[in-house]
Amino acid sequence: AQSVTQLGSHVSVSEGALVLLRCNYSSSVPPYLFWYVQYPNQGLQLLLKYTTGATLVKGINGFEAEFKKSETSFHLTKPSAHMSDAAEYFCAVSGPASGGSYIPTFGRGTSLIVHP
Amino acid sequence: GAVVSQHPSRVICKSGTSVKIECRSLDFQATTMFWYRQFPKQSLMLMATSNEGSKATYEQGVEKDKFLINHASLTLSTLTVTSAHPEDSSFYICSAETNSYNEQFFGPGTRLTVL
Repeated sequence: AQSVTQLGSHVSVSEGALVLLRCNYSSSVPPYLFWYVQYPNQGLQLLLKYTTGATLVKGINGFEAEFKKSETSFHLTKPSAHMSDAAEYFCAVSGPASGGSYIPTFGRGTSLIVHP
Repeated sequence: GAVVSQHPSRVICKSGTSVKIECRSLDFQATTMFWYRQFPKQSLMLMATSNEGSKATYEQGVEKDKFLINHASLTLSTLTVTSAHPEDSSFYICSAETNSYNEQFFGPGTRLTVL
């Protein structure tokens, strides 16, 4: 069984400020962890993922996330927010399921609001 | 690589009609395809998983007779919403998986509005 908790349905930052979106997970197997971004009326775009290896993962658009097993966390950060970062962000956890598929379990999403 | 398309991107239909949504993997063969539903301001809810040539596996609470899924080839899956009603209005997203990767690749979604 696996689950994801995203703390805060909305996060508001000023342009240029640090972005921190929190994600905690639970998984009965070593997890694969993902962050996706969704713009209005669009599908999901993968920002970054952790499978194995280095725990600090760098993604697109200047985002990065760190896998902390002891804290069961995978928080997403970006040093300086841009207006274009305003979107919905989803954290997801997956692991090999029956039949070999990797079916992610999504968090409820965090809406990032960027103020000028 | 790993591009998934959906068609149509938007559809408006009358109550009682059926609507078909196509999901295609453009540059890879998808061993498994998935259909999700997303309500406004909410997360994605997995509806069903389909493998080419096999019957789809539906999640609990999803009506298989209402949401017909066909996975005729390794690059195409279709979702047909039969006898659509206003409560079926939603954003439907498909994704595809291949043995070469340990993740799903998502389509751009289809906005269904039932009047």
